[in-house]
Amino acid sequence: DVKVTQSSRYLVKRTGEKVFLECVQDMDHENMFWYRQDPGLGLRLIYFSYDVKMKEKGDIPEGYSVSREKKERFSLILESASTNQTSMYLCASRPPVRFSNQPQHFGDGTRLSIL
Amino acid sequence: AQSVTQPDIHITVSEGASLELRCNYSYGATPYLFWYVQSPGQGLQLLLKYFSGDTLVQGIKGFEAEFKRSQSSFNLRKPSVHWSDAAEYFCAVGALYGNKLVFGAGTILRVKS
Repeated sequence: DVKVTQSSRYLVKRTGEKVFLECVQDMDHENMFWYRQDPGLGLRLIYFSYDVKMKEKGDIPEGYSVSREKKERFSLILESASTNQTSMYLCASRPPVRFSNQPQHFGDGTRLSIL
Repeated sequence: AQSVTQPDIHITVSEGASLELRCNYSYGATPYLFWYVQSPGQGLQLLLKYFSGDTLVQGIKGFEAEFKRSQSSFNLRKPSVHWSDAAEYFCAVGALYGNKLVFGAGTILRVKS
């Protein structure tokens, strides 16, 4: 089974801090994703990466950046955390698009609170 | 624009009763459709997916979904609900050869005994 591990289940940070959320997958997947989940809005894509050092903006990239230095690890960075970034963050991975019938696999999420 | 609508924010059913969760999508190309379930405090688990072939697909935990192109729908069903099915359910749509998924807002299922 695919294992997607997010380093923290709960995180509390202060306004203005630089925050790192880490995600590791063990299936050598090329594609990795960061989503934000808010009640009534479902999941919204922040960024995704289709290879090492490659990234693409999703639907809500403002206030976030990402880093992918190794294939198995995809980091989400809040450059200067704000209270409106309090949310649940979900990481996902999937094989390359040529394996078209393979779904995204999700981690357990990080619930981030910005005070 | 691509979108997914789950009309029901909350649904409550009795244990043992049948269940249908609605999903309507708007997508310009051939859709690739999913249902995911999220138990409290957990990530998303894939229930089933559809990308071609038989329009009635079977998934895990006794769930099934039917793709109806004419109605742009992909409703999730289960004949007899168990208390452990209480969770939030998400419908999602993507392109067959694409990376991005568009998610619905989710439906929270409550099961009463």
